[in-house]
Amino acid sequence: GAVVSQHPSRVICKSGTSVKIECRSLDFQATTMFWYRQFPKQSLMLMATSNEGSKATYEQGVEKDKFLINHASLTLSTLTVTSAHPEDSSFYICSARTSGGGETQYFGPGTRLLVL
Amino acid sequence: LAKTTQPISMDSYEGQEVNITCSHNNIATNDYITWYQQFPSQGPRFIIQGYKTKVTNEVASLFIPADRKSSTLSLPRVSLSDTAVYYCLVGGALNTGRRALTFGSGTRLQVQP
Repeated sequence: GAVVSQHPSRVICKSGTSVKIECRSLDFQATTMFWYRQFPKQSLMLMATSNEGSKATYEQGVEKDKFLINHASLTLSTLTVTSAHPEDSSFYICSARTSGGGETQYFGPGTRLLVL
Repeated sequence: LAKTTQPISMDSYEGQEVNITCSHNNIATNDYITWYQQFPSQGPRFIIQGYKTKVTNEVASLFIPADRKSSTLSLPRVSLSDTAVYYCLVGGALNTGRRALTFGSGTRLQVQP
């Protein structure tokens, strides 16, 4: 299957700082990538849809000015958590959708963010 | 988006066949059914995808009745390493645009020795 990577795998930061998470599709091009957030013992919640070359579409309740998404190329999308607070601590997972044929989302390994 | 309903948890023993059923009464004509497996602190891993009838790969089988309002993931001869959360999702239809897959609560499978 298609491979999606994320970097970093885990990050610890101080409250008020910004953190950037990268999501890359390694062996295919993805015009659309998605960002999810997952709290302990809960399911994945979609945060936003990232489209290459255009603005991201955010789900209701997700602050676009706090979670900045950039999809500059067909293989890279970034999520920047600005002015992070402890309540932003979570597991962030990206996915990329293959194009052509039956569309399938492939997920990255996730990034564990801990804000102190 | 079609909502899915799965059992919250299931228990099994090594070597047994496990069947996890998911209901999706509001599935759209163009929707596919996809199952993912997730281990703690990892991203979901694609298991299998189907549209109708039966699909089989090296890992699992997916059974979809004619009305497509439910589907059953079948895991043959499970092992301890199959202990995970399994998600049933509908969507990702062919060439329909950019809808993301929406996750339900999933089924937590516990395999005992």
